[in-house]
Amino acid sequence: ETGVTQSPTHLIKTRGQQVTLRCSSQSGHNTVSWYQQALGQGPQFIFQYYREEENGRGNFPPRFSGLQFPNYSSELNVNALELDDSALYLCASSGDGTGLLKRQYFGPGTRLLVL
Amino acid sequence: RKEVEQDPGPFNVPEGATVAFNCTYSNSASQSFFWYRQDCRKEPKLLMSVYSSGNEDGRFTAQLNRASQYISLLIRDSKLSDSATYLCVGSGTYKYIFGTGTRLKVLA
Repeated sequence: ETGVTQSPTHLIKTRGQQVTLRCSSQSGHNTVSWYQQALGQGPQFIFQYYREEENGRGNFPPRFSGLQFPNYSSELNVNALELDDSALYLCASSGDGTGLLKRQYFGPGTRLLVL
Repeated sequence: RKEVEQDPGPFNVPEGATVAFNCTYSNSASQSFFWYRQDCRKEPKLLMSVYSSGNEDGRFTAQLNRASQYISLLIRDSKLSDSATYLCVGSGTYKYIFGTGTRLKVLA
Protein backbone atom coordinates (compact mmCIF):
# COMPACT_ATOMS: atom_id res chain seq x y z
CA GLU A 1 0.00 0.00 0.00
CA THR A 2 1.15 3.55 -0.77
CA GLY A 3 -0.15 5.24 2.38
CA VAL A 4 -2.28 7.59 0.27
CA THR A 5 -5.95 7.49 1.21
CA GLN A 6 -9.00 8.91 -0.53
CA SER A 7 -12.60 9.38 0.46
CA PRO A 8 -15.25 8.54 -0.35
CA THR A 9 -14.59 5.39 -2.38
CA HIS A 10 -17.79 5.75 -4.42
CA LEU A 11 -20.20 8.57 -5.00
CA ILE A 12 -23.37 9.12 -7.02
CA LYS A 13 -24.48 12.66 -7.87
CA THR A 14 -26.88 14.27 -10.30
CA ARG A 15 -26.14 16.83 -12.99
CA GLY A 16 -25.67 20.35 -11.64
CA GLN A 17 -24.67 19.25 -8.15
CA GLN A 18 -21.35 19.92 -6.50
CA VAL A 19 -18.92 17.36 -5.09
CA THR A 20 -15.88 17.38 -2.81
CA LEU A 21 -13.33 14.59 -2.89
CA ARG A 22 -10.62 14.19 -0.27
CA CYS A 23 -7.07 12.90 -0.23
CA SER A 24 -4.55 12.31 2.54
CA SER A 25 -0.99 12.24 1.33
CA GLN A 26 1.73 9.83 2.36
CA SER A 27 3.66 10.84 5.46
CA GLY A 28 6.52 13.19 4.56
CA HIS A 29 5.02 14.21 1.20
CA ASN A 30 4.15 17.85 0.54
CA THR A 31 2.78 17.63 -3.00
CA VAL A 32 -0.58 16.31 -4.15
CA SER A 33 -1.64 15.81 -7.77
CA TRP A 34 -5.15 15.02 -8.97
CA TYR A 35 -6.04 13.00 -12.05
CA GLN A 36 -9.29 12.09 -13.79
CA GLN A 37 -9.57 8.70 -15.46
CA ALA A 38 -12.55 8.15 -17.72
CA LEU A 39 -13.50 4.63 -18.75
CA GLY A 40 -11.05 3.18 -21.26
CA GLN A 41 -8.65 6.11 -20.97
CA GLY A 42 -5.44 6.82 -19.13
CA PRO A 43 -5.49 9.23 -16.19
CA GLN A 44 -5.55 12.92 -17.18
CA PHE A 45 -3.78 15.52 -15.04
CA ILE A 46 -6.15 18.01 -13.39
CA PHE A 47 -3.83 20.05 -11.14
CA GLN A 48 -1.11 19.83 -8.54
CA TYR A 49 -0.74 21.46 -5.13
CA TYR A 50 2.63 22.11 -3.52
CA ARG A 51 2.82 23.55 0.01
CA GLU A 52 -0.79 24.80 -0.21
CA GLU A 53 -0.38 26.57 -3.59
CA GLU A 54 -1.54 25.43 -7.02
CA ASN A 55 1.62 24.42 -8.85
CA GLY A 56 0.29 23.52 -12.28
CA ARG A 57 -2.98 22.83 -14.03
CA GLY A 58 -4.14 20.63 -16.87
CA ASN A 59 -6.82 21.32 -19.44
CA PHE A 60 -9.81 21.37 -17.08
CA PRO A 61 -12.39 24.16 -16.69
CA PRO A 62 -12.49 26.46 -13.64
CA ARG A 63 -15.37 24.50 -12.11
CA PHE A 64 -12.66 22.04 -11.08
CA SER A 65 -10.93 23.60 -8.10
CA GLY A 66 -8.76 22.42 -5.29
CA LEU A 67 -7.28 23.12 -1.94
CA GLN A 68 -4.35 21.88 0.07
CA PHE A 69 -4.22 22.12 3.85
CA PRO A 70 -1.25 22.73 6.17
CA ASN A 71 -1.02 18.98 6.84
CA TYR A 72 -0.74 18.55 3.03
CA SER A 73 -4.04 16.74 2.66
CA SER A 74 -6.07 17.99 -0.26
CA GLU A 75 -9.57 18.42 -1.64
CA LEU A 76 -10.87 18.42 -5.19
CA ASN A 77 -14.11 20.31 -5.73
CA VAL A 78 -16.22 20.04 -8.85
CA ASN A 79 -19.14 22.43 -9.36
CA ALA A 80 -22.05 22.14 -11.78
CA LEU A 81 -21.46 18.46 -12.40
CA GLU A 82 -21.87 17.16 -15.95
CA LEU A 83 -22.46 13.61 -17.13
CA ASP A 84 -18.92 13.52 -18.59
CA ASP A 85 -17.48 14.10 -15.11
CA SER A 86 -18.26 10.46 -14.34
CA ALA A 87 -14.82 8.92 -13.83
CA LEU A 88 -12.30 7.55 -11.38
CA TYR A 89 -10.57 10.43 -9.60
CA LEU A 90 -7.06 9.64 -8.46
CA CYS A 91 -4.90 11.50 -6.04
CA ALA A 92 -1.11 11.07 -5.97
CA SER A 93 1.34 12.36 -3.42
CA SER A 94 5.05 13.05 -3.80
CA GLY A 95 7.87 14.78 -1.99
CA ASP A 96 10.61 17.30 -2.66
CA GLY A 97 13.84 16.48 -4.36
CA THR A 98 14.61 14.32 -7.31
CA GLY A 99 14.34 10.71 -8.30
CA LEU A 100 12.55 8.54 -5.78
CA LEU A 101 11.56 11.54 -3.67
CA LYS A 102 9.55 13.01 -6.55
CA ARG A 103 7.87 9.77 -7.56
CA GLN A 104 4.10 9.96 -7.35
CA TYR A 105 2.23 7.42 -5.23
CA PHE A 106 -1.41 6.88 -6.05
CA GLY A 107 -4.36 6.45 -3.74
CA PRO A 108 -7.17 3.96 -4.44
CA GLY A 109 -9.33 6.58 -6.13
CA THR A 110 -12.89 7.83 -5.82
CA ARG A 111 -15.36 6.54 -8.37
CA LEU A 112 -17.87 9.26 -9.25
CA LEU A 113 -21.04 8.61 -11.18
CA VAL A 114 -23.08 11.57 -12.41
CA LEU A 115 -26.67 10.82 -13.40
CA ARG B 1 -0.26 14.04 -31.76
CA LYS B 2 -0.83 12.83 -28.21
CA GLU B 3 1.97 13.46 -25.72
CA VAL B 4 2.19 9.75 -24.87
CA GLU B 5 0.82 7.16 -27.29
CA GLN B 6 0.43 3.43 -26.96
CA ASP B 7 -1.47 0.67 -28.74
CA PRO B 8 -4.66 -0.03 -26.72
CA GLY B 9 -4.63 -3.71 -27.69
CA PRO B 10 -6.00 -6.05 -26.50
CA PHE B 11 -3.06 -8.41 -26.64
CA ASN B 12 -4.25 -11.98 -26.08
CA VAL B 13 -1.30 -14.30 -25.48
CA PRO B 14 -0.93 -17.88 -24.18
CA GLU B 15 0.70 -18.57 -20.84
CA GLY B 16 4.46 -18.71 -21.17
CA ALA B 17 4.60 -16.39 -24.15
CA THR B 18 6.79 -13.30 -24.45
CA VAL B 19 4.96 -10.08 -25.17
CA ALA B 20 6.25 -6.57 -25.86
CA PHE B 21 4.55 -3.20 -25.63
CA ASN B 22 5.84 0.01 -27.14
CA CYS B 23 4.99 3.58 -26.35
CA THR B 24 6.03 6.84 -28.01
CA TYR B 25 6.35 10.19 -26.27
CA SER B 26 6.69 13.86 -27.13
CA ASN B 27 9.16 16.42 -25.78
CA SER B 28 6.70 17.62 -23.14
CA ALA B 29 6.65 14.17 -21.54
CA SER B 30 10.34 13.40 -21.55
CA GLN B 31 11.78 13.89 -18.09
CA SER B 32 11.22 10.49 -16.54
CA PHE B 33 9.45 7.35 -17.66
CA PHE B 34 7.50 4.62 -15.94
CA TRP B 35 5.34 1.62 -16.60
CA TYR B 36 2.29 1.24 -14.38
CA ARG B 37 -0.02 -1.73 -14.12
CA GLN B 38 -3.72 -1.22 -13.57
CA ASP B 39 -6.17 -3.96 -12.68
CA CYS B 40 -9.84 -3.54 -13.45
CA ARG B 41 -11.43 -0.78 -11.36
CA LYS B 42 -8.28 -0.29 -9.26
CA GLU B 43 -5.67 2.44 -9.06
CA PRO B 44 -2.49 2.31 -11.17
CA LYS B 45 0.44 0.66 -9.43
CA LEU B 46 4.07 1.28 -10.33
CA LEU B 47 5.53 -1.68 -12.19
CA MET B 48 8.92 -0.20 -12.91
CA SER B 49 10.79 2.96 -13.74
CA VAL B 50 12.56 3.13 -17.09
CA TYR B 51 16.21 4.08 -17.12
CA SER B 52 18.32 5.21 -20.06
CA SER B 53 20.48 2.11 -19.94
CA GLY B 54 17.49 -0.20 -19.78
CA ASN B 55 16.54 -2.16 -16.71
CA GLU B 56 15.20 -5.53 -15.74
CA ASP B 57 13.09 -6.75 -12.85
CA GLY B 58 12.54 -10.48 -12.95
CA ARG B 59 10.49 -11.30 -16.03
CA PHE B 60 10.06 -7.62 -16.94
CA THR B 61 12.50 -5.56 -19.02
CA ALA B 62 12.11 -1.88 -19.83
CA GLN B 63 14.00 -0.01 -22.51
CA LEU B 64 14.26 3.66 -23.43
CA ASN B 65 15.25 4.99 -26.84
CA ARG B 66 15.62 8.76 -26.61
CA ALA B 67 16.64 9.20 -30.23
CA SER B 68 13.38 7.67 -31.47
CA GLN B 69 11.38 8.80 -28.45
CA TYR B 70 9.92 5.49 -27.45
CA ILE B 71 9.95 3.19 -24.48
CA SER B 72 9.18 -0.49 -24.36
CA LEU B 73 8.16 -3.16 -21.89
CA LEU B 74 8.95 -6.83 -22.43
CA ILE B 75 7.25 -9.51 -20.38
CA ARG B 76 8.77 -12.98 -20.54
CA ASP B 77 7.10 -16.25 -19.53
CA SER B 78 3.66 -14.61 -19.19
CA LYS B 79 1.51 -15.69 -16.26
CA LEU B 80 -2.26 -15.59 -15.96
CA SER B 81 -1.77 -13.02 -13.20
CA ASP B 82 -0.09 -10.63 -15.68
CA SER B 83 -3.51 -9.95 -17.24
CA ALA B 84 -4.08 -6.23 -16.70
CA THR B 85 -3.78 -2.86 -18.43
CA TYR B 86 -0.25 -1.51 -18.74
CA LEU B 87 0.07 2.26 -18.69
CA CYS B 88 3.04 4.04 -20.18
CA VAL B 89 3.93 7.27 -18.37
CA GLY B 90 6.19 10.16 -19.27
CA SER B 91 6.65 12.97 -16.86
CA GLY B 92 6.74 16.69 -17.51
CA THR B 93 7.97 19.33 -15.10
CA TYR B 94 5.36 18.55 -12.49
CA LYS B 95 2.85 16.14 -13.93
CA TYR B 96 2.63 12.59 -15.12
CA ILE B 97 1.37 12.13 -18.67
CA PHE B 98 -0.29 8.78 -19.22
CA GLY B 99 -0.95 6.83 -22.36
CA THR B 100 -4.35 5.26 -22.80
CA GLY B 101 -3.04 1.89 -21.64
CA THR B 102 -2.52 -1.45 -23.37
CA ARG B 103 -4.75 -4.32 -22.32
CA LEU B 104 -3.08 -7.70 -21.88
CA LYS B 105 -4.95 -10.94 -21.45
CA VAL B 106 -2.91 -14.07 -20.75
CA LEU B 107 -4.81 -17.20 -21.71
CA ALA B 108 -4.53 -20.63 -20.08
